[in-house]
Formats: sequence, C-alpha cells, structure tokens
Amino acid sequence: GAVVSQHPSRVICKSGTSVKIECRSLDFQATTMFWYRQFPKQSLMLMATSNEGSKATYEQGVEKDKFLINHASLTLSTLTVTSAHPEDSSFYICSAREFGTGSNSPLHFGNGTRLTVT
Amino acid sequence: QKEVEQDPGPLSVPEGAIVSLNCTYSNSAFQYFMWYRQYSRKGPELLMYTYSSGNKEDGRFTAQVDKSSKYISLFIRDSQPSDSATYLCAIGETSGSRLTFGEGTQLTVNP
Repeated sequence: GAVVSQHPSRVICKSGTSVKIECRSLDFQATTMFWYRQFPKQSLMLMATSNEGSKATYEQGVEKDKFLINHASLTLSTLTVTSAHPEDSSFYICSAREFGTGSNSPLHFGNGTRLTVT
Repeated sequence: QKEVEQDPGPLSVPEGAIVSLNCTYSNSAFQYFMWYRQYSRKGPELLMYTYSSGNKEDGRFTAQVDKSSKYISLFIRDSQPSDSATYLCAIGETSGSRLTFGEGTQLTVNP
C-alpha cells in the first residue's frame, strides 16, 4: 500500500529556533499533501494544503509566515516551524493522496512528528 | 454544532466482544467516509473507506453508512487486545479534497 514517511519522528528545540519537518511519499507521487496538527486527546486539525509547484493554502487562523510549507517535488513536502515557541509544541502529521486517483481517494498518513519547544 | 460528532469514549470491552463505533455528520454534501485507527504516538492508519450507503466488510471490520440519517458506523467483530487504539472517522466533501475528522473514540480491549 501507499507509504508516507515523515521525519523526524521527534524533535526537541529551544524557543526561538526553527524546525523543519519532511514528508515523503515513498511509492507514489502526490501532487497534494496535507499538514495536520493534533493536540493530546484531540482530533486532527488541518493546517494547510500543500500543492506541488504552487503556494500552500492555509486554514483560517494558521499563520503562513510561521508555518512555512514547501512542496518542491511530487514526493516531498516540508513544514518549517519558524521561531518556535512552547505553544507550538504539538504532534504534526502529514498526509498525501496518490496522484491520479481523484479527490475522493483516501489519504495516507505519515507517522507524525512530536515537536517539543522548551 | 460540529460538522462531525463522535463520542470520544473511552470505551472498554472484553476480548471477543463486538465493538460499535459511530459518527454523525451534519453536512449533506459529505459523500465519502473513512475510518482510521491511531495508536498512541503514531499517525492514523486507514482501515476502511466507502462512498455509498450500505455496508462494506473487510475481515473483522464492517463499515456502515446511512446517508439519510447522516450516520456512519464501524463494527469490529471478535475484538482483540491489539485493536486497542483511537478510532477516527473522517468524512469528505464531493468537491475539493478536505477531510473533516471526528474527535476519535478511544477503545481498550481487555484480555
């Protein structure tokens, strides 16, 4: 089945630094990838939609200058949390839909990145 | 009112029990329905997806959709301790590519 790889799985950083999270589709091409955020015991909240070769679309309330998204190829999207603060500590999960399968095909998720900002 | 409502549980059952997990939704534009399983500190894993009303079966799992009632269910037969996880329903619209997730139901299957 479709595999989405996310790296790193866990990162601890100091307040004010930036952190980059990578999301790769390993055995399929993905023109669209999605970035979610999940707080403990809560559901997934969509942050942004990443489109290969174009600017990401951010959900209301998500700061695009703080959460930089780059989707440079059909298999890689990156999320950079800039000037991270403790309130940015969360579980970040990417997902992807296989290219050519239509907007109704299921999403496949990475294993998430747990970010802790001290 | 949330677009998708899911009882967060927690739900605790003995091994071998039949488990019923449910979600309701309010938007009639939702046309495709998915169930994900999420173990602690892991990303969601797709279990089942369906586009139509009725039942879809895969091994011990059965997904049921009733569009007239805007109600979806996931049944797990012969539940196992390894089924202990959080189960998330996710529902999509006919146009675009967003998924709206339920809050997730935490399930524990006791040996």
